[in-house]
Amino acid sequence: QQQVKQSPQSLIVQKGGISIINCAYENTAFDYFPWYQQFPGKGPALLIAIRPDVSEKKEGRFTISFNKSAKQFSLHIMDSQPGDSATYFCAASSQDSSYKLIFGSGTRLLVRP
Amino acid sequence: DVKVTQSSRYLVKRTGEKVFLECVQDMDHENMFWYRQDPGLGLRLIYFSYDVKMKEKGDIPEGYSVSREKKERFSLILESASTNQTSMYLCASSFGTANSPLHFGNGTRLTVT
Repeated sequence: QQQVKQSPQSLIVQKGGISIINCAYENTAFDYFPWYQQFPGKGPALLIAIRPDVSEKKEGRFTISFNKSAKQFSLHIMDSQPGDSATYFCAASSQDSSYKLIFGSGTRLLVRP
Repeated sequence: DVKVTQSSRYLVKRTGEKVFLECVQDMDHENMFWYRQDPGLGLRLIYFSYDVKMKEKGDIPEGYSVSREKKERFSLILESASTNQTSMYLCASSFGTANSPLHFGNGTRLTVT
């Protein structure tokens, strides 16, 4: 059972455009939602994270939007750059299993120059 | 900077062999994890450990075991490798506090022939 569904599987965006990756979850006990970024040949690294008590969190060009009622959250990359080309994973965890992150299936982003 | 080091970048083994994947972290993290990464399936948790000699099954533990004799070292063991265990294996570590970021190694690409 896939507890965190991520889309799209791949995404191509022109430089300067907005990249949007969406995730939906099923478990209403989830209370922590991070995004990880993975460059080729490297392990994933934490990019940005949000808790459900806020609807949006922004760090530079990266923004998480969170919709608790719809059980959805998304990553927006503004002014996308070729250096943003990577695989992005959303994830979720709950307080009662805070060590265990459930990851989405990943989105491969390519930003064309 | 946290460093999580996986002993091999690429590994080729034969069906039925016993395989050891080693992981070492240098930040005195309490938690250590083994994930498997497959295209379209994201990152799936195999086993994790929150203390020396402690281990917990993740979502896909079948065919795997782990060992954590020292705090900094976490080993993944394939008792009898099979072709369906061909994958990218990622080790990660984190502090023992809730929602502490995962720090990943660069992965071991295992091919079982």
